[in-house]
Amino acid sequence: AQKVIQVWSTASRQEGEELTLDCSYETSQVLYHLFWYKHLLSGEMVFLIRQMSSSTAKERSGRYSVVFQKSLKSISLVISALQPDDSGKYFCALWELLTSGGNYKPTFGKGTSLVVHP
Amino acid sequence: NAGVIQTPRHKVTGKGQEATLWCEPISGHSAVFWYRQTIVQGLEFLTYFRNQAPIDDSGMPKERFSAQMPNQSHSTLKIQSTQPQDSAVYLCASSRDWGGAEQYFGPGTRLTVL
Repeated sequence: AQKVIQVWSTASRQEGEELTLDCSYETSQVLYHLFWYKHLLSGEMVFLIRQMSSSTAKERSGRYSVVFQKSLKSISLVISALQPDDSGKYFCALWELLTSGGNYKPTFGKGTSLVVHP
Repeated sequence: NAGVIQTPRHKVTGKGQEATLWCEPISGHSAVFWYRQTIVQGLEFLTYFRNQAPIDDSGMPKERFSAQMPNQSHSTLKIQSTQPQDSAVYLCASSRDWGGAEQYFGPGTRLTVL
């Protein structure tokens, strides 16, 4: 069973619009982190934003923000004022702090490919 | 800062041959991760090192895959007796710590097994 689910495999928007990318996850761990990464068309994978399970702060980084619904085990990435350069593949990632051993274990979703039209 | 360096960028091997992939993490980063990316499976975690010590290799196929980090400046992923199903992009990433810090990814090595 997948631990990190990104329901939409593709998305398409016009420049200037706002987009919400959804991600749901499964974990029994108390402590974990959630990340969003973007796979650029050039092949580079870049970090966008992070949400800690213990934080209630609404994380934001530039035009990126997240909507974290811990009870629903859901984290959405919101991208405002879309630009054509936002095109790429977006990955949600879960980092669980394993109580046995105290190590983190990463799991990535399968990604959502976004195309932003000028 | 050159970022994470992976070599070679492309490798083609014949079935049954060995492939060694190299990764140079960002200087000062204490954690190094290896992933395999395919269209079907997406991004799969293989293994990671913390301060050069192997921590979790639960994602590694047990029989033919091995990873090492002999020093803090490089890690290798070795695949013995490569099979066509090993064809994928292998990504290396490093982070300044082993838990909550973001990872910096290398450009990947595209392995093609004929």
